[in-house]
Amino acid sequence: EPEVTQTPSHQVTQMGQEVILRCVPISNHLYFYWYRQILGQKVEFLVSFYNNEISEKSEIFDDQFSVERPDGSNFTLKIRSTKLEDSAMYFCASSDYRDGYTFGSGTRLTVV
Amino acid sequence: SQQGEEDPQALSIQEGENATMNCSYKTSINNLQWYRQNSGRGLVHLILIRSNEREKHSGRLRVTLDTSKKSSSLLITASRAADTASYFCATDASRRANNLFFGTGTRLTVIP
Repeated sequence: EPEVTQTPSHQVTQMGQEVILRCVPISNHLYFYWYRQILGQKVEFLVSFYNNEISEKSEIFDDQFSVERPDGSNFTLKIRSTKLEDSAMYFCASSDYRDGYTFGSGTRLTVV
Repeated sequence: SQQGEEDPQALSIQEGENATMNCSYKTSINNLQWYRQNSGRGLVHLILIRSNEREKHSGRLRVTLDTSKKSSSLLITASRAADTASYFCATDASRRANNLFFGTGTRLTVIP
């Protein structure tokens, strides 16, 4: 069964550093998403991406965040200057818009 | 906010019993989806029910949707210890990119 692949599975970074989280969506999906889940809290929508541009973004997705699809397979989330409160599990997902999403297994980001 | 809210927050049952989890939401939706999450792991898509559907089955799962009451239920029949996980409903009410709004989840424990 097709999978969404995320790397790394766990990243530790110092406050103020830039991080790039990587995702390989399912190849024939056209819609891509990033969500995050702070420990013990609900999953929150960050951004959706379609046709090489952002479709929607939440209030969480401020100027510190950016997304990119640098080639035909990867989808990345960049956090420019990490803060302690950015520590969370970050999930990538892709969709063909007809059925449910497929989520990746997540990247646990720890900002110290 | 259109977020789904599940109840109960936690549910503990014996193996073999049925488990019912409920979800309520606030706005009109395109579809509602149920996900499962094992502790600290990724989100697994279980089932999607569209706004014009009232009931859907998948194996031991049965989902109902009542758009007049803005509520949904997930029934797991003949539960197994391996069903122990958190279960989330997520609503899709967007116009373009079907981003999801997740509830806070129900933590299900199935006792062997």
